Amino acid sequence: EPEVTQTPSHQVTQMGQEVILRCVPISNHLYFYWYRQILGQKVEFLVSFYNNEISEKSEIFDDQFSVERPDGSNFTLKIRSTKLEDSAMYFCASSEARALGDTQYFGPGTRLTVL
Amino acid sequence: AQTVTQSQPEMSVQEAETVTLSCTYDTSESNYYLFWYKQPPSRQMILVIRQEAYKQQNATENRFSVNFQKAAKSFSLKISDSQLGDTAMYFCAFPAWGTGNQFYFGTGTSLTVIP
Repeated sequence: EPEVTQTPSHQVTQMGQEVILRCVPISNHLYFYWYRQILGQKVEFLVSFYNNEISEKSEIFDDQFSVERPDGSNFTLKIRSTKLEDSAMYFCASSEARALGDTQYFGPGTRLTVL
Repeated sequence: AQTVTQSQPEMSVQEAETVTLSCTYDTSESNYYLFWYKQPPSRQMILVIRQEAYKQQNATENRFSVNFQKAAKSFSLKISDSQLGDTAMYFCAFPAWGTGNQFYFGTGTSLTVIP
């Protein structure tokens, strides 16, 4: 069964450094998402992406964040200058369509630790 | 805005027994969907079951069933004949209307099945 994959599984970085988290969505899916979960807190929506542009973003997704689909398979989340509070698990998801009720398929997550 | 609440951070159940995980939500929408996702350790979140709010019949998937009470805004997950492979974090999720189709998640319930 097709799966969403994410790399790396764990990333450790110094505060102020740039990180890029990578995701490979399911191949026939058209809608892509990033969520994050700070330890002990809820999974929170960051951004949705369709047709090479952002569909919606949350207030968390400020100018430090950007997303890109650099080729036909990868979907990336870049954090320009990491802060301590960016430490979290980051989940990528994809869906075939965007109708209410459509299932989003999630990757295993990347644990980002900012020191 | 939608909110999702899972009031049980951790639960345990003996193998072969039945356990119920609770979820409550708040919305002003009349038609919506509700999801339960399961995340085994170090694995991706996978869909367990989905409920459409306008359907009165509770959704069932093999050993997993829901008790959906629309008036009470309650969406609990019942796992029958618990198996060791059911050990995981369980998230209740609620998709939002709008261009982004973002999911709202609860904080999760960590379920341990005891042999």
